[in-house]
Amino acid sequence: EAQVTQNPRYLITVTGKKLTVTCSQNMNHEYMSWYRQDPGLGLRQIYYSMNVEVTDKGDVPEGYKVSRKEKRNFPLILESPSPNQTSLYFCASSPSVKGLGYTFGSGTRLTVV
Amino acid sequence: AQSVAQPEDQVNVAEGNPLTVKCTYSVSGNPYLFWYVQYPNRGLQFLLKYITGDNLVKGSYGFEAEFNKSQTSFHLKKPSALVSDSALYFCAVRDMNRDDKIIFGKGTRLHILP
Repeated sequence: EAQVTQNPRYLITVTGKKLTVTCSQNMNHEYMSWYRQDPGLGLRQIYYSMNVEVTDKGDVPEGYKVSRKEKRNFPLILESPSPNQTSLYFCASSPSVKGLGYTFGSGTRLTVV
Repeated sequence: AQSVAQPEDQVNVAEGNPLTVKCTYSVSGNPYLFWYVQYPNRGLQFLLKYITGDNLVKGSYGFEAEFNKSQTSFHLKKPSALVSDSALYFCAVRDMNRDDKIIFGKGTRLHILP
């Protein structure tokens, strides 16, 4: 089944403790992206990647890092999480063909205390 | 910059009645427009898209959307609402000028009343 897999689904952590949210897709998509969803703000893009070893900042990149060493994986790294990073996070992927939409993962609900 | 706006935070519709969820867009060039739906505790699911061609686009679960260039709108519609349609709906545009990123509206929560 074609899908985007995120782990974990739920995570509670403490301020400053480094964490990684994994994202993997099995559709050979070139384009991958991370969004955060907050009430009243919709989805905001954190980082995106056009292909392997190519990453770029989205609209809200502060406090996050990403890497794209393999085509299928696009982990989101929070080096020193803070409470304002408490949010619902989504990974998405898309073929490079223009005009196509995203396939989304099921989301990771992160709480930083 | 490309953008979409969803003017309603919430829409309430009685079951069996037609529903409309509004979206307007602002783009330079030809718009690539999408609708996504998010059910509780789930990721976003693709409903339909407009790239070119017929202004009436049909999608999943009986939904359709009408592209109106003169009004710069892309409203989501369904002739007869179901309680199971209750969800959060996002309009989106693909920004060809910014590495094809997809820009989402803030979302509209649709409540279908039994």
